[in-house]
Amino acid sequence: AQTVTQSQPEMSVQEAETVTLSCTYDTSESDYYLFWYKQPPSRQMILVIRQEAYKQQNATENRFSVNFQKAAKSFSLKISDSQLGDAAMYFCAYSVNYGGSQGNLIFGKGTKLSVKP
Amino acid sequence: NAGVMQNPRHLVRRRGQEARLRCSPMKGHSHVYWYRQLPEEGLKFMVYLQKENIIDESGMPKERFSAEFPKEGPSILRIQQVVRGDSAAYFCASSRSDNQPQHFGDGTRLSIL
Repeated sequence: AQTVTQSQPEMSVQEAETVTLSCTYDTSESDYYLFWYKQPPSRQMILVIRQEAYKQQNATENRFSVNFQKAAKSFSLKISDSQLGDAAMYFCAYSVNYGGSQGNLIFGKGTKLSVKP
Repeated sequence: NAGVMQNPRHLVRRRGQEARLRCSPMKGHSHVYWYRQLPEEGLKFMVYLQKENIIDESGMPKERFSAEFPKEGPSILRIQQVVRGDSAAYFCASSRSDNQPQHFGDGTRLSIL
């Protein structure tokens, strides 16, 4: 069975600094998708970034980038120039890639990120 | 361009009552997913539907829970004879096709008295 593990229940970063959130996963599949979702106090789930496992290039989205290490089954999220609005729960998620079709999402337990002014 | 709409935002039920949670996917999206989030936990997959079809219900409890996505109207997650353990936030997500990212609604927080 596939699992997603986030080993940092809470993290803190100073405004304008950089922070990295860790995620590891376990799967026997060779092709899959990985995601980071953000959940602010409003509880909305916001897609931050998506990575396709067969792509070696790390995905980036403005201040957000990932370090995807397929052999190590690691998928960390780096937030540069942290802003107060980045404070939220961050969930790492996985889904199998069925020949281009995305399966249901499997989530980690989340990391609560605080941003200090 | 409205996002995924869920209602109600909050729902309070007494034990034994029925709960109906509604989800209208984004315009142009025909794939709907339901997830449940318990306190201090990540989301857990429940069911995946396309119009008039249940594609994957491997995460649904065997009893009391059902879901539908009719040809017209929103997707409905129905919980019969609710119990305290059903208290959770229920999220709906939709996607344009099965290889596109899922976009989430704001969730429905269900509280059982």
